[in-house]
Amino acid sequence: AQTVTQSQPEMSVQEAETVTLSCTYDTSESDYYLFWYKQPPSRQMILVIRQEAYKQQNATENRFSVNFQKAAKSFSLKISDSQLGDAAMYFCAYRRLGGGSNYKLTFGKGTLLTVNP
Amino acid sequence: DTAVSQTPKYLVTQMGNDKSIKCEQNLGHDTMYWYKQDSKKFLKIMFSYNNKELIINETVPNRFSPKSPDKAHLNLHINSLELGDSAVYFCASSHPWGVAGAGGYEQYFGPGTRLTVT
Repeated sequence: AQTVTQSQPEMSVQEAETVTLSCTYDTSESDYYLFWYKQPPSRQMILVIRQEAYKQQNATENRFSVNFQKAAKSFSLKISDSQLGDAAMYFCAYRRLGGGSNYKLTFGKGTLLTVNP
Repeated sequence: DTAVSQTPKYLVTQMGNDKSIKCEQNLGHDTMYWYKQDSKKFLKIMFSYNNKELIINETVPNRFSPKSPDKAHLNLHINSLELGDSAVYFCASSHPWGVAGAGGYEQYFGPGTRLTVT
């Protein structure tokens, strides 16, 4: 079974600085999807960024970018120019390719990010 | 223009009661899900339906029964509620697959329903 590990239960960053959140995963598959979701205090789960495993190029979305190291099974999230609104719980998630039961997301336990003014 | 909506957002009830949570999506997705987030914030899949057909049924007590009347709706009924059922329940939806390199398979979540069993 696939597992996703986020080794940093909590992180903090100063406003305008850069922070990197770590995620590793375990899979025997060669193709899959990876995601980062953000959950602010409002509880809403918000998709931050996605990565297809077959793509070597790292995904970027504005201030958010990933460092995808397929051989190391590592998928870290970098937040540049951190803003107060970035404060949230961040979840790394994995999804297999294919249909049926492969649709489900397997989540890590989350990293609580605090942004200090 | 809410994409995935859930009702109610908060539910407080006593042990032994039966309750339902409703979910609706207007994204035109074929696949819908129920996830449970426990008190430690851990998220785990419970069920998934694709076009009204049950495709994922994780190890969940049979007191939990999902129902999908059509592909835009997925409800969760819980019988004989127990203290341990207290959690946040999220509905989500997605296309089953997307366009290579262009996404389209992402899951979009509802606002969650916080269930408290006393």
